[in-house]
Amino acid sequence: DSGVTQTPKHLITATGQRVTLRCSPRSGDLSVYWYQQSLDQGLQFLIHYYNGEERAKGNILERFSAQQFPDLHSELNLSSLELGDSALYFCASSASDRVRQPQHFGDGTRLSIL
Amino acid sequence: AQSVTQPDIHITVSEGASLELRCNYSYGATPYLFWYVQSPGQGLQLLLKYFSGDTLVQGIKGFEAEFKRSQSSFNLRKPSVHWSDAAEYFCAVGAPDRGSTLGRLYFGRGTQLTVWP
Repeated sequence: DSGVTQTPKHLITATGQRVTLRCSPRSGDLSVYWYQQSLDQGLQFLIHYYNGEERAKGNILERFSAQQFPDLHSELNLSSLELGDSALYFCASSASDRVRQPQHFGDGTRLSIL
Repeated sequence: AQSVTQPDIHITVSEGASLELRCNYSYGATPYLFWYVQSPGQGLQLLLKYFSGDTLVQGIKGFEAEFKRSQSSFNLRKPSVHWSDAAEYFCAVGAPDRGSTLGRLYFGRGTQLTVWP
């Protein structure tokens, strides 16, 4: 158990819809990272938040947004969903915002778009 | 641009045999290097990491990895594989942005390990 909690574990929805994925980091961790894992692209970094502030953006679509709340949990919002958004979405947390700090991953949310 | 290559998509070994999973990276300076393992239905678990110093690093579950700067490689090894090691293994590079210690992880495409009894 990594200590990172992601909900829900599975999400099935239709094209055009909007969903919210939730992540609770390990106790004491201030950074939250979001990744997308798909067969086409592999594991891709989406976005990084540290103590409520956005720190870095990766290959995140404009239809996607994220935030980190004062209690440090984070949400990833995906809107106008397309079939290609079907993927496994991981959240990871680490103690600091330094890239050398190991990241601890949740079990992911599997998103299926029908 | 930073990149990570895991040349072997799938490796099959017999239980008790030795294992080496290859990882090559492309980065201008010495990167931060990680190996993660992903079991079905689970997230990624950190096996080991390398930042500096001794180029042979020990990790959990009996794994070790060796950093070779001249070859831009960070191969993962285990002397004797157990059936429970069957999983997907990911090499990752932490590449700081210029002038910063922030950055992101770049992952390889993974190597699927099958273990025969």
